[in-house]
Amino acid sequence: SYELTQPPSVSVSPGQTASISCSGDNLEDKYASWYRQKPGQSPVLVIYQDNMRPSGIPERFSGSNSGNTATLTISGTQAMDEADYYCQAWDSSLWVFGGGTKLTVL
Amino acid sequence: QVQLQESGPGLVKPSETLSLTCAVSGYFINNSYYWGWIRQPPGEGLEWIGSIYHSGSTYYNPSLKSRVTISVDTSENQFSLKLSSVTAADTAVYYCARIHEVGFGAYMDVWGKGTTVTVSS
Repeated sequence: SYELTQPPSVSVSPGQTASISCSGDNLEDKYASWYRQKPGQSPVLVIYQDNMRPSGIPERFSGSNSGNTATLTISGTQAMDEADYYCQAWDSSLWVFGGGTKLTVL
Repeated sequence: QVQLQESGPGLVKPSETLSLTCAVSGYFINNSYYWGWIRQPPGEGLEWIGSIYHSGSTYYNPSLKSRVTISVDTSENQFSLKLSSVTAADTAVYYCARIHEVGFGAYMDVWGKGTTVTVSS
């Protein structure tokens, strides 16, 4: 079955750029989505179709997908961006999530 | 504005069947989209359980397929999850979500608040 791999944790200083990777076989042939989840809250879609931002998501969130890796980039990271981030893709009628990455802003 | 709300027992005994419902407001469920269930065990990541297309076609996580049934009740504008023969490993927060067409990325744009289900005697 298809698998998506994320680093367990990423740290970034306020104001800097955070990059979170998501790896899967030929991931560029699929659409990648990204979700942000803060403690005790439901996941929120922040990127869909590799690089599209839903209404209400700040411009500092961007995405890319090339080769075997999709990347979520947060420019000018703020303390409020500290959360768990999950990538997701669809393959052969199955929905797959990455294991999640805890983003720490310090 | 589309909203989803999960409901169901918060405590289920081992070996019994977990039953949850997701009520959809602001959109007629049989118009379009997939509708899905996702769970999150305590301290762990998200796990897709299964999805149902507005036409009724179902798709299940292979690891749960033998125990899962997802159905739609268009008259009540809701969809349901049944998970049989539960064990403590099924203890989790269960979310329902609206899912866009697979040709458009199959992403989940609207989520319910989640409901906690504990499996314990």
